[in-house]
Amino acid sequence: KAGVTQTPRYLIKTRGQQVTLSCSPISGHRSVSWYQQTPGQGLQFLFEYFSETQRNKGNFPGRFSGRQFSNSRSEMNVSTLELGDSALYLCASSLEGGAGGYTFGSGTRLTVV
Amino acid sequence: GQQVMQIPQYQHVQEGEDFTTYCNSSTTLSNIQWYKQRPGGHPVFLIQLVKSGEVKKQKRLTFQFGEAKKNSSLHITATQTTDVGTYFCAGNGGATNKLIFGTGTLLAVQP
Repeated sequence: KAGVTQTPRYLIKTRGQQVTLSCSPISGHRSVSWYQQTPGQGLQFLFEYFSETQRNKGNFPGRFSGRQFSNSRSEMNVSTLELGDSALYLCASSLEGGAGGYTFGSGTRLTVV
Repeated sequence: GQQVMQIPQYQHVQEGEDFTTYCNSSTTLSNIQWYKQRPGGHPVFLIQLVKSGEVKKQKRLTFQFGEAKKNSSLHITATQTTDVGTYFCAGNGGATNKLIFGTGTLLAVQP
C-alpha cells in the first residue's frame, strides 16, 4: 500500500513569507500528526488531527497552524517565516490512538533565508 | 509539560559489540514506541510496548518497558553496520495523550 506522502520535498522561502505543506496519510489512517525536526531540538510535536479536528497541539506560536480535510489529507501552514523555522517537517499517520505505531512521510525540508 | 529523555546522546561501538539506549519519561506513559531513523531518512516504527514490565524481542533487538511505565530500554546484541542511525523512544502519556519523542540516541558502528 502507498505510504505517507508529503509535498513538496524541498522548499526555500524568504523571511516574512508564508508556506503551506501537504500530507497525504496511508489509506484508512484518520490520525495525522506533524513534527518539526531540527538538529538542536530533535523531534518537536506540532499538532495532531483526527477526523478533521485538532486533538492536540504542541508549544509552537500561533504562526503555525494546520487543518485536516474529510479525506484525511492534512496541511500545515507557517506564516511570517523566521530563520529559526528552517527544519525538516515530518507528517505521520496512524490508526486512532496510534495503535500499530506511526508511519512517517519523508518530510519537507524547509529553508528560510 | 511531559518530557522524554534518552541516554546516551551518542554511542560509538565496534561492530559485534552490544548497545543499549535508555529512555525516561517525566510522566507515566500509557505505551512506549521505538523508532529508528537512518541518516538522511525519516523515523521508522520498530515496536510498541503497552504493559508494565513488558519485554519484546525482534531478532537482535530487545525492548523493555519499566514496571512503573516511566522508562524503557532498547538493547542491540552484536551490532552490525546496518544498525547505524538514531533511535528514538516515543511515549503517549499525560493529560493530552499526544506522542512525545525522546531526545534520541545516535548509534555509530565501526566495521
